Amino acid sequence: GAGVSQSPSNKVTEKGKDVELRCDPISGHTALYWYRQSLGQGLEFLIYFQGNSAPDKSGLPSDRFSAERTGGSVSTLTIQRTQQEDSAVYLCASSPDREGGYTFGSGTRLTVV
Amino acid sequence: EDQVTQSPEALRLQEGESSSLNCSYTVSGLRGLFWYRQDPGKGPEFLFTLYSAGEEKEKERLKATLTKKESFLHITAPKPEDSATYLCAVQAPSNTGKLIFGQGTTLQVKP
Repeated sequence: GAGVSQSPSNKVTEKGKDVELRCDPISGHTALYWYRQSLGQGLEFLIYFQGNSAPDKSGLPSDRFSAERTGGSVSTLTIQRTQQEDSAVYLCASSPDREGGYTFGSGTRLTVV
Repeated sequence: EDQVTQSPEALRLQEGESSSLNCSYTVSGLRGLFWYRQDPGKGPEFLFTLYSAGEEKEKERLKATLTKKESFLHITAPKPEDSATYLCAVQAPSNTGKLIFGQGTTLQVKP
């Protein structure tokens, strides 16, 4: 596609349930990133994939968070046993390499009730 | 610790009233400084990358400049459609593309 696609755009879930967020990057972009944006907060880095290299998971806030990238393309961010503090907009971005500006998707707004 | 601080948090301008947004940073070994625009309900949109002190980039009414400690986003004769949140970010010095973002400046331009 022409841009980074994220689904769903909105997700409301009950505390304790697991959720999966999906990201389709721009075709051919080797780098893929997940960020989190909480109300009134800046963008917080979560995880970074670059080609076939091991992902940089240094931003994942707890072991309830995990992500994978299949076939160097689509990525899924999974949050297990969701908590209210997980409520935020989860943004995915891709770039042709580790340099340069990203292209962001429109994000998934997650609300944990 | 690598850090990015943007000021002001919010800025209200009249249409045509030029101003500047500030981004101060502390990072060991800057690999790049990025400016993004974010509209409500959307992801950030890439504007500029600056790599070295003295560098300038322009796009329509926006001009970004860089020194060793800060960057400015100058907005000349703004229009209401320039209203958005402007985000500044620096690239981490490690060998990844990870960006460290500031909190943003929310700009409102009134007609």
